[in-house]
Amino acid sequence: GQNIDQPTEMTATEGAIVQINCTYQTSGFNGLFWYQQHAGEAPTFLSYNVLDGLEEKGRFSSFLSRSKGYSYLLLKELQMKDSASYLCAAADSNYQLIWGAGTKLIIKP
Amino acid sequence: ETGVTQTPRHLVMGMTNKKSLKCEQHLGHNAMYWYKQSAKKPLELMFVYNFKEQTENNSVPSRFSPECPNSSHLFLHLHTLQPEDSALYLCASSQDVGGYNEQFFGPGTRLTVL
Repeated sequence: GQNIDQPTEMTATEGAIVQINCTYQTSGFNGLFWYQQHAGEAPTFLSYNVLDGLEEKGRFSSFLSRSKGYSYLLLKELQMKDSASYLCAAADSNYQLIWGAGTKLIIKP
Repeated sequence: ETGVTQTPRHLVMGMTNKKSLKCEQHLGHNAMYWYKQSAKKPLELMFVYNFKEQTENNSVPSRFSPECPNSSHLFLHLHTLQPEDSALYLCASSQDVGGYNEQFFGPGTRLTVL
């Protein structure tokens, strides 16, 4: 079956760095997305990786290893506004997105 | 503001009621989606429309009936729902259908079925 695994909840300190991991099993693979969702709001796009390696975008970076079925989202210089859920989703051979349940990130002062 | 709007934002209905959820996108996209989001569960894709034609129906019960009159508007008609249908219903759009396309989400409708 197709499956996405990510931690349910993580806690980090303001100003620190946190890494949110995601492992996936899909029938074929056409890329991996990360979305951010603040409580009560719409998910918003953060990143898309289809090739192995690290993509950096400001304070946020996303990494992909296709051979390991693994991705992570790295958040640097954490701010209180980064408290949100982070959703991992992989596109399968039919380009359908398979979603994880999300990781709730709690930032403490 | 993502360019995708949904109304109503909150809805409480009884099991015998009929109601409709509305979604509108102002992005000129060709594809629109309905998702169900329940607490601590992955997003569940319900329906996909591409150029007004339904391309996906992920075994959704018939008490949920989608309608897509044009590429900018999407409705979800609800009738004789069950309490387990209580969830956040999200609408999304993308330039085209295909997992490589970034999806833009609306704020959702929080549905409670009594």
